[in-house]
Amino acid sequence: DSGVTQTPKHLITATGQRVTLRCSPRSGDLSVYWYQQSLDQGLQFLIQYYNGEERAKGNILERFSAQQFPDLHSELNLSSLELGDSALYFCASSGDSSSKAFFGQGTRLTVV
Amino acid sequence: EDQVTQSPEALRLQEGESSSLNCSYTVSGLRGLFWYRQDPGKGPEFLFTLYSAGEEKEKERLKATLTKKESFLHITAPKPEDSATYLCAVQARAGTALIFGKGTTLSVSS
Repeated sequence: DSGVTQTPKHLITATGQRVTLRCSPRSGDLSVYWYQQSLDQGLQFLIQYYNGEERAKGNILERFSAQQFPDLHSELNLSSLELGDSALYFCASSGDSSSKAFFGQGTRLTVV
Repeated sequence: EDQVTQSPEALRLQEGESSSLNCSYTVSGLRGLFWYRQDPGKGPEFLFTLYSAGEEKEKERLKATLTKKESFLHITAPKPEDSATYLCAVQARAGTALIFGKGTTLSVSS
């Protein structure tokens, strides 16, 4: 158990809809990262938050957004969903002095 | 642009047949190189961090090594339970996101 909790584990929704994925980082970790994993692209970095502030953006679409709350949990919002958004979405967290990231078990999103 | 390339994409071994996985990288200043193991449908599990050329880390049947341009994950006498996808990632600066390769899927048969 990595200590990173993601909910829900599975999500099935229709095209055009909006969903919210939730992540609780390991206790004390200030950084949260979101990644998307699809079969052909591998793990793609989406966005990073540090102590409530956005720190870095990767290949995140404009239809996607995220935030980190004062209790350090984070949410990834995906809107106007398309079939191609079907993927595994992972959250990871890391501490201030440690570079390694610990991953949650992911949310499998299926858009139909 | 930081890039990580892993080879081969897939590797099939017999139990006890040792081999190596390759990770080559280009990054503007390497803070650390990371190896993770991922089982199907699960999150990546941390294995090793390497920080400088010449460094080696070992864990059970796995040994990771690092040069200035690539890293190797050596698997000695693998067992079926070593079957998984092995991911390599680089970090350019402390506190920044890891950039991953596409992974090598290892299958070990008894």
